[in-house]
Amino acid sequence: DTEVTQTPKHLVMGMTNKKSLKCEQHMGHRAMYWYKQKAKKPPELMFVYSYEKLSINESVPSRFSPECPNSSLLNLHLHALQPEDSALYLCASSQDRGRSSASFTDTQYFGPGTRLTVL
Amino acid sequence: EDQVTQSPEALRLQEGESSSLNCSYTVSGLRGLFWYRQDPGKGPEFLFTLYSAGEEKEKERLKATLTKKESFLHITAPKPEDSATYLCAVQSSNSGYALNFGKGTSLLVTP
Repeated sequence: DTEVTQTPKHLVMGMTNKKSLKCEQHMGHRAMYWYKQKAKKPPELMFVYSYEKLSINESVPSRFSPECPNSSLLNLHLHALQPEDSALYLCASSQDRGRSSASFTDTQYFGPGTRLTVL
Repeated sequence: EDQVTQSPEALRLQEGESSSLNCSYTVSGLRGLFWYRQDPGKGPEFLFTLYSAGEEKEKERLKATLTKKESFLHITAPKPEDSATYLCAVQSSNSGYALNFGKGTSLLVTP
């Protein structure tokens, strides 16, 4: 089973709202990722958690706040977003056997995404 | 800096008309090359991981190959349900966890 689930599927929010995106996997993966994808563009990495610790923050604005409560769950808390933040937000996971080794790689499996619209 | 270029940007095939998609890459220390399929509004669906030149993998009508400079995704006798955007991504010794994606090839298969 290579399933990553995300909720909600769609989210519409105003610029003053606070909302959260949720991601879950039960594959025993120890690395989890948030990506942002704009229309007709490839996914862009936002955050990486390795063994529940934030490993990478790709210079993402502080209005996006990630959280990894345990090895199966990943949240993305949203606050004071701008209309240009409207996009498809993707969660992914991988085994992380190599702990980001220079000589080893793990396949990343993506969830179905949350379509976010900021009004 | 790692670079990934996919061609063509868009491809229209008739059902049964075989073809290939190209992914050219320039990286320092390739750790893996990945192919994904993405339907509109959905997350990328994993297809293949290739680790070293000469490697080939097959799944139904799809076959992925890898050389030191490029990868091909061969589609044999495509069906309309193969219509999607196909994304190529690489991971290198410089990139850590990050996947460096190409811009994708949008494939349309008509009956």
